[in-house]
Amino acid sequence: QSALTQPASVSGSPGQSITISCTGTGSDVGAYNYVSWYQQHPGKAPKRMIYDVSNRPSGVSNRFSGSKSGNTASLTISGLQAEDEADYYCSSYTSSSTYVFGTGTKVTVL
Amino acid sequence: EVQLVESGGGLIQPGGSLRLSCAASGFTFSSYWMHWVRQASGKGLVWVSRINSNGSSRDYADFVKGRFTISRDNARNTLYLQMNSLRAEDAAVYFCVRVVGGDFDYWGQGTLVTVSS
Repeated sequence: QSALTQPASVSGSPGQSITISCTGTGSDVGAYNYVSWYQQHPGKAPKRMIYDVSNRPSGVSNRFSGSKSGNTASLTISGLQAEDEADYYCSSYTSSSTYVFGTGTKVTVL
Repeated sequence: EVQLVESGGGLIQPGGSLRLSCAASGFTFSSYWMHWVRQASGKGLVWVSRINSNGSSRDYADFVKGRFTISRDNARNTLYLQMNSLRAEDAAVYFCVRVVGGDFDYWGQGTLVTVSS
């Protein structure tokens, strides 16, 4: 199972919006709504930000939103803040009864 | 409060074995699927294995099939990962994760496995 494809890096200025893509196949992202997004700061465990494509857990800022079209899912961060600088990963369930994570995206706040 | 605490990591020689444990608390452990996810230094997250709530169903990533075994003891609220025939590429931080559907909602802090002679 190959990792889902994410851009290596995305950057934006404070207050701007950025979008991170996560491209899979018809056997994972395109087949299921079990797509989630995780934020990871250096040396820390990942924290989930979005689950089931677009659901935001309680306690997560509404500046984070998720969507999916075909085999590509997206995470949008609006009103970018310094604390959003981190690595972000997507994940998906697959038709092989396994899970796959994305390659990861480093978000830089300029 | 949900807590997942991994242990059992350490330095092991190639070809050796190690058993990781994950002590769970703050939720009804026996009701949830549990997973292991790993992350090599400076690299991305990689899914390793999962086990259903009563231990009757297990799935593995291809690269650990036949070498790793996931198990659980619901009476002790503990998840395990038995790792045999370890390779250099298995070196990573191993995270224990509670998962609901596709939602990896709670993560432990991880335990470091180093494979080196």
